[in-house]
Amino acid sequence: KAGVTQTPRYLIKTRGQQVTLSCSPISGHRSVSWYQQTPGQGLQFLFEYFSETQRNKGNFPGRFSGRQFSNSRSEMNVSTLELGDSALYLCASSLSGTIRTDTQYFGPGTRLTVL
Amino acid sequence: EDKVVQSPLSLVVHEGDTVTLNCSYEVTNFRSLLWYKQEKKAPTFLFMLTSSGIEKKSGRLSSILDKKELFSILNITATQTGDSAVYLCAVPPGAGSYQLTFGKGTKLSVIP
Repeated sequence: KAGVTQTPRYLIKTRGQQVTLSCSPISGHRSVSWYQQTPGQGLQFLFEYFSETQRNKGNFPGRFSGRQFSNSRSEMNVSTLELGDSALYLCASSLSGTIRTDTQYFGPGTRLTVL
Repeated sequence: EDKVVQSPLSLVVHEGDTVTLNCSYEVTNFRSLLWYKQEKKAPTFLFMLTSSGIEKKSGRLSSILDKKELFSILNITATQTGDSAVYLCAVPPGAGSYQLTFGKGTKLSVIP
């Protein structure tokens, strides 16, 4: 069974640009979560999607948005990039997003560098 | 706001040593605590703990939860260089969803 895949793996952008990251969950998984990882703040929850609906959202500005498609693939978008958005963006999937019953699997991440 | 604090932040040991990693938490409505290992990029799931005093074990790794004192420990015995990684502790919100609050992690380096 293929794991969680994320594209691209590396990305370099300049301040003010926007970026779209993609995540394909494990086949059959309907919950997709996104996290930002930086050396200073560690891993922080961005949002979670289930059946094309955003179910939970972390404390990030509105520049960070996402969506999920009917095949459970998800994208996240960051507009008006700032230097502080440089981070590893991790996507994780699980069957239904319920910790009690599901294991969550992480993808390899997208390393975003903002210059 | 949920809070997770891990200690130490980094640790260097020799192969064969036993290590104990700590995780303390403050959660409004505690349901569970999760441990992950992050070697390069993708964190991989190790344990989920929900009940106090019950040890979870997988090979040389074991973990236990103390719900009264609000902490968990992760033990690794007979460490190997392959155990070098960042170990992350996380808690979900009371709803039990995967909206995880992570600690900053403990970076473990095992030297031959």
